[in-house]
Amino acid sequence: GAGVSQSPRYKVAKRGQDVALRCDPISGHVSLFWYQQALGQGPEFLTYFQNEAQLDKSGLPSDRFFAERPEGSVSTLKIQRTQQEDSAVYLCASSLVTGQQYFGPGTRLTVT
Amino acid sequence: GDSVTQMEGPVTLSEEAFLTINCTYTATGYPSLFWYVQYPGEGLQLLLKATKADDKGSNKGFEATYRKETTSFHLEKGSVQVSDSAVYFCALRLTGNQFYFGTGTSLTVIP
Repeated sequence: GAGVSQSPRYKVAKRGQDVALRCDPISGHVSLFWYQQALGQGPEFLTYFQNEAQLDKSGLPSDRFFAERPEGSVSTLKIQRTQQEDSAVYLCASSLVTGQQYFGPGTRLTVT
Repeated sequence: GDSVTQMEGPVTLSEEAFLTINCTYTATGYPSLFWYVQYPGEGLQLLLKATKADDKGSNKGFEATYRKETTSFHLEKGSVQVSDSAVYFCALRLTGNQFYFGTGTSLTVIP
């Protein structure tokens, strides 16, 4: 079956612009996660949803970052007033309530 | 805090060489431990896992043993292939769903 998909795969934004990154999890997966992966680093946790409820947003680096999953399926990570330090690959993963996380290919965001 | 430290790369090996990538962890509880692999142009994939002390995870010829006494989960393979060239990430998960990843180790296998 289809895996986790993310769009766009690449995004270039000028500093100060807002961006929206989309994640389509595997159908039926209750849990959804967002990670930020800086160049040469491992993924760092941003936020976690169970269905439409955002249960943990402790990893969001600032109030410019906002995530939603209004119908418990597709999720959007929004970054307002992008800064150069926001340049990274943003990974989405989904899973059943617990267990193995399946990762999408990521969105590479470059802020110029 | 909870964290994972893994061997820095890049690592370059000849085909059929023995591979070890070291991983140690710091955790306040009893984590599950994982190795993920990222092939060029692809997303992270689970390679193997171990959920309690002394468990051995294995897959595709790779192995790692959960060592509580040394807080380690080193990845090994007896004979690497060119197709094993990828970035390998060690990770831990405590109760709940938050994962902590290492910084990744890039492996290149040359024929």
